[in-house]
Amino acid sequence: AQTVTQSQPEMSVQEAETVTLSCTYDTSENNYYLFWYKQPPSRQMILVIRQEAYKQQNATENRFSVNFQKAAKSFSLKISDSQLGDTAMYFCAFMKGWVNTNAGKSTFGDGTTLTVKP
Amino acid sequence: DTGVSQDPRHKITKRGQNVTFRCDPISEHNRLYWYRQTLGQGPEFLTYFQNEAQLEKSRLLSDRFSAERPKGSFSTLEIQRTEQGDSAMYLCASSYGLAGGGTGELFFGEGSRLTVL
Repeated sequence: AQTVTQSQPEMSVQEAETVTLSCTYDTSENNYYLFWYKQPPSRQMILVIRQEAYKQQNATENRFSVNFQKAAKSFSLKISDSQLGDTAMYFCAFMKGWVNTNAGKSTFGDGTTLTVKP
Repeated sequence: DTGVSQDPRHKITKRGQNVTFRCDPISEHNRLYWYRQTLGQGPEFLTYFQNEAQLEKSRLLSDRFSAERPKGSFSTLEIQRTEQGDSAMYLCASSYGLAGGGTGELFFGEGSRLTVL
């Protein structure tokens, strides 16, 4: 079974600064996908960024980027130029699978609560 | 499309009663997932469907929980003889399967919060 660990229950950052959220996972699979989801207070969860394990290049989405270390089974999220709207709970998630196959469920970590301070 | 919708948003019930939650996924999505989330925890997988077929059910799920997706569209999650430990947010998500060109991204509803007194 896969496990996802987020070791930072809470973090804070000043507006406009950079923050990095950590995530490690345990799996014997070689082909899988990793995700970061954001859950704002009392709002639904939405995808922030996605990484395919077979790609060596780290994914980026505007101010959000990841540092994917496959050998170390590490998948951290960097938020640059933090904004007040980034305040949310962030979840790291793992899904085994390969393109053109039917992958199963996503397994989530317990989340990191990020507060962006003005 | 308005996204994934769940009903009711809040449910308060007494221990021992049955409750049912409904989820309407994004219409073109063939996969539908149910997760449970308690305060300060990440979503915990319960079950998922591809079209009308229930492909996986968590071994942590007791026999009091049952889910259906009769026509491959909306889904219901029923909890029988509720217990106080069932109090949680029940999340529904939908997606395209990878084989159908999906990215694996889950689209979540706002959840149904259950309080068992």
